[in-house]
Amino acid sequence: EVQLVESGGRLIQSGGSLRLSCAASGFTVKNYYMSWVRQAPGKGLEWVSVVYSGGDKYYADSVKGRFTMSRDNSNNAVYLQMNSLRVADTAVYYCEVHCGGDCSFHYWGQGTLVTVSS
Amino acid sequence: QLVVTQSPSASASLGASVKLTCILSSGHSDYTIAWHQQQPEKGPRYLMKVKSDGSHIKGDGIPDRFSGSSSGAERYLTISSLQSEDEADYYCQTWGAGIRVFGGGTRVTVL
Repeated sequence: EVQLVESGGRLIQSGGSLRLSCAASGFTVKNYYMSWVRQAPGKGLEWVSVVYSGGDKYYADSVKGRFTMSRDNSNNAVYLQMNSLRVADTAVYYCEVHCGGDCSFHYWGQGTLVTVSS
Repeated sequence: QLVVTQSPSASASLGASVKLTCILSSGHSDYTIAWHQQQPEKGPRYLMKVKSDGSHIKGDGIPDRFSGSSSGAERYLTISSLQSEDEADYYCQTWGAGIRVFGGGTRVTVL
């Protein structure tokens, strides 16, 4: 059974740093694409970052230079290091596993809430 | 710029059908998209990918009531025999040059 379990979200002051974790089971993270997606209260989904199976990483303009995504193959997990946090970063952060081409392997975690206060 | 556009809302009666539209930005009409469902107070769930040729690739356990199709730069999600649990937000997503984008979502109301 595929599971993605996010953790690390909490209340933090503006300007602070936080690291989110996504622990994966039922598959091997290095073989798939892993993304972070966030959802601000009452808003839609916003893509944040991705690490592809080959290791390339990309970021949304809104977080570029502040957030860093990493993958730990030995622990079968991915992380999101968030620095210089802003009130606008307040959201539920979801971990997503997906793949390219005609592959249908695509799952979401349950999310972790990050609240940035001023 | 890669953008996908969705209507903000749709509604249909219980047992009827509803067709949602996702429009790809100019120059991206051959892109594949994915549809995701988000029921109230829950995380998203992958439904299917829809390719430019109209074929779709469903996720595990997605009922046959959900189908995808395509015409030009438009990608569709049709939900047949609407049930109360289909009342949810539906997001389309696409990707290119490394980045990924979501549409604003369509809220489906079951009357």
